[in-house]
Amino acid sequence: AQSVAQPEDQVNVAEGNPLTVKCTYSVSGNPYLFWYVQYPNRGLQFLLKYITGDNLVKGSYGFEAEFNKSQTSFHLKKPSALVSDSALYFCAVRDGRAAGNKLTFGGGTRVLVKP
Amino acid sequence: GAGVSQTPSNKVTEKGKYVELRCDPISGHTALYWYRQSLGQGPEFLIYFQGTGAADDSGLPNDRFFAVRPEGSVSTLKIQRTERGDSAVYLCASSLMSLAGGGEQFFGPGTRLTVL
Repeated sequence: AQSVAQPEDQVNVAEGNPLTVKCTYSVSGNPYLFWYVQYPNRGLQFLLKYITGDNLVKGSYGFEAEFNKSQTSFHLKKPSALVSDSALYFCAVRDGRAAGNKLTFGGGTRVLVKP
Repeated sequence: GAGVSQTPSNKVTEKGKYVELRCDPISGHTALYWYRQSLGQGPEFLIYFQGTGAADDSGLPNDRFFAVRPEGSVSTLKIQRTERGDSAVYLCASSLMSLAGGGEQFFGPGTRLTVL
């Protein structure tokens, strides 16, 4: 079984301040971790992923995330938030050693960046 | 290049009716996925195709739901005897390789299904 928790329904941050969106996961085997962003009336857009290698991964639009195996976390970060970063963010996991390929998503975190 | 497309973008139907939702994946992507996203929740996996065959249909909620991908490209999600609880946004995604290789999924804009 695999699961994802995003403990914050909403994160509010002022433009120019650092942004962090939290994600913890549970998976039996090797975690493959993903972050997606969803803008209103649009599909999910891929931001970044961790499969193996360096724990700090960099993705689109200046976002990065750090894989922490001991804390089973994969928090999304951006050093300086923009108003245009306001959207719904989803963390997802799959078991890299499982035969299936389904992603399990968290419930999402709404980010509101205020000017 | 063209992304994943889904038609229709919106579908309103009456309880008990049959609906078909279409997904056109990115050209050359062998893996295709269907998810369902209810209001205020994250997407939930329904079914995954590798080529023409359903490799994992463990997420289909019951036998009213069925999906096909006869030529390994376009897929159709079919829902029989629709119920009000089926109302959701149905998302389709495709990837160049199965996630066994770590490939990310590319999502379409979704079909919003409303069952009255």
